[in-house]
Amino acid sequence: GAVVSQHPSWVICKSGTSVKIECRSLDFQATTMFWYRQFPKQSLMLMATSNEGSKATYEQGVEKDKFLINHASLTLSTLTVTSAHPEDSSFYICSASSPGPAAVYFGPGTRLTVL
Amino acid sequence: KQEVTQIPAALSVPEGENLVLNCSFTDSAIYNLQWFRQDPGKGLTSLLLIQSSQREQTSGRLNASLDKSSGRSTLYIAASQPGDSATYLCAVRSMDSSYKLIFGSGTRLLVRP
Repeated sequence: GAVVSQHPSWVICKSGTSVKIECRSLDFQATTMFWYRQFPKQSLMLMATSNEGSKATYEQGVEKDKFLINHASLTLSTLTVTSAHPEDSSFYICSASSPGPAAVYFGPGTRLTVL
Repeated sequence: KQEVTQIPAALSVPEGENLVLNCSFTDSAIYNLQWFRQDPGKGLTSLLLIQSSQREQTSGRLNASLDKSSGRSTLYIAASQPGDSATYLCAVRSMDSSYKLIFGSGTRLLVRP
């Protein structure tokens, strides 16, 4: 199956700093990428949908100025958590799909801990 | 607004049992439904993908069915093994321009040796 990678797999940062998470589709062109966050023992919450070359569409309640998403190429999307605070600590997972309602493939996730 | 529900929330069974996980969704206008497995602290592994025009999909000991009109899907696991212990998530692909994948809350499965 298709492979999606995320980097880093885990990161610890100080409160007030910014953290960038990369999501790459390794063997297919991902016209659409989705970013999710997951709290312990809870399901995935969709944060935003990004289409290559256009601005991301954020879900209600997600601050677009805090969670900056860039989808500059068909194989790379980045999520930047700006001025991170302890409440931003979570498991962030990206997913990618080819054009249309094709299967969605998930990255391994990035665990962010903000001290 | 599409809502996806999974029951039970948790399930503990002895090894060897056959079991059924349930998923229901409120809006039948979907492109497809996917079942995923998630191990603690890990990402998601896709198990089965059922297109809206299909009734079921099978992979090894797993069988997933889809009844779009009633908004239900089941995941059947035959002869369960301790290695099957994980959280199982179902998700539907919405039939709008964003093709969003909406997740249920998951079923935590424990298969006891």
